[in-house]
Amino acid sequence: GNSVTQMEGPVTLSEEAFLTINCTYTATGYPSLFWYVQYPGEGLQLLLKATKADDKGSNKGFEATYRKETTSFHLEKGSVQVSDSAVYFCALSSTDKLIFGTGTRLQVFP
Amino acid sequence: KAGVTQTPRYLIKTRGQQVTLSCSPISGHRSVSWYQQTPGQGLQFLFEYFSETQRNKGNFPGRFSGRQFSNSRSEMNVSTLELGDSALYLCASSSSTSGSTYEQYFGPGTRLTVT
Repeated sequence: GNSVTQMEGPVTLSEEAFLTINCTYTATGYPSLFWYVQYPGEGLQLLLKATKADDKGSNKGFEATYRKETTSFHLEKGSVQVSDSAVYFCALSSTDKLIFGTGTRLQVFP
Repeated sequence: KAGVTQTPRYLIKTRGQQVTLSCSPISGHRSVSWYQQTPGQGLQFLFEYFSETQRNKGNFPGRFSGRQFSNSRSEMNVSTLELGDSALYLCASSSSTSGSTYEQYFGPGTRLTVT
């Protein structure tokens, strides 16, 4: 079945460091791919999305490219801020529902 | 536009009781989905409603049920609560009618604690 695999966290970085959170997927067909972010005590916020191969989603300095050949959708940001500290979820769409990865906690220190 | 709202935000119930959670989607969105989030199992899909019809269902026991009203508002019900039902229950709405571009917007969740 369809599934999403994310790198284990926590990821701990200093402010202004480069961020990569790995995400790979297994799916039949051509799902859309998403990154969601969850801040403490809140629900999930859609961060970015890509709907077809080679699409690049971007928002708030975050980027991810839909790579069909490597079945990946890695999240990157060139310079993280303390305010980026949160849990990040990779997800794919599958038959009218989302399938999520386990989430990666990001901690950014000043 | 107002976002997805969920009520109540917090609930404490006792084993064996039942509970009803409510979700109001973004105006104009006709699809509402429910997810359970726990530290052990992560985010798991419960069910999805579109135009008052359950369109998709996850692997949860029959104690978990839901419905959607004509104004797209949705409720989920859990009967005979168990300790393992303690979780954050998230509602999400979407304007998509179907297909792979299924972009969902989430509410803040209802934190259910079963004692």
